[in-house]
Amino acid sequence: GQQLNQSPQSMFIQEGEDVSMNCTSSSIFNTWLWYKQDPGEGPVLLIALYKAGELTSNGRLTAQFGITRKDSFLNISASIPSDVGIYFCAGQGKGSNYKLTFGKGTLLTVNP
Amino acid sequence: DAGVTQSPTHLIKTRGQQVTLRCSPKSGHDTVSWYQQALGQGPQFIFQYYEEEERQRGNFPDRFSGHQFPNYSSELNVNALLLGDSALYLCASTRGGFGYEQYFGPGTRLTVT
Repeated sequence: GQQLNQSPQSMFIQEGEDVSMNCTSSSIFNTWLWYKQDPGEGPVLLIALYKAGELTSNGRLTAQFGITRKDSFLNISASIPSDVGIYFCAGQGKGSNYKLTFGKGTLLTVNP
Repeated sequence: DAGVTQSPTHLIKTRGQQVTLRCSPKSGHDTVSWYQQALGQGPQFIFQYYEEEERQRGNFPDRFSGHQFPNYSSELNVNALLLGDSALYLCASTRGGFGYEQYFGPGTRLTVT
């Protein structure tokens, strides 16, 4: 089945630093999404990507849909303490219009 | 604009019992998906409902069943609970019959003892 490998597993950074995380798949995905989850809450949609090569920004967040359609990247610039949380990539694969496949998440800790 | 709501927030059940979880989709959404999230893992797709029919199912046994009502709200039922069913159960909604841009509720934390 479709699997997503998300890295790194965790990150510890200083406030103000930039952050990069990525997600790779063994198969092609038609849509990539990035979510953030705070403790005790449901995931919140940050960015959705629909075309290979697409680069989309949402404030200090920028995400890219890889050219091979098997990967995606999320960058956070000038991190702040409220960026703390777990970031998940999710994809919709060919022949699976309805379900999202999630990575295992990247735990981000920001030291003020 | 009302977001996705779920009830109850927390639930404790005994092994072998049955449980029903409820979800109301975001205003304007007609499609509901259910996910199971174990501790330290990403959400795993259980199934999706559209037009009151189960449209796609993930790798979950028949003990997991669901229903969608005419007002688009949905229920997730789990029979013969196992200890391994302890997890956060998330409901997500979207519009237009496809799974793009699914919006999640806060989840129901189920503990099976």
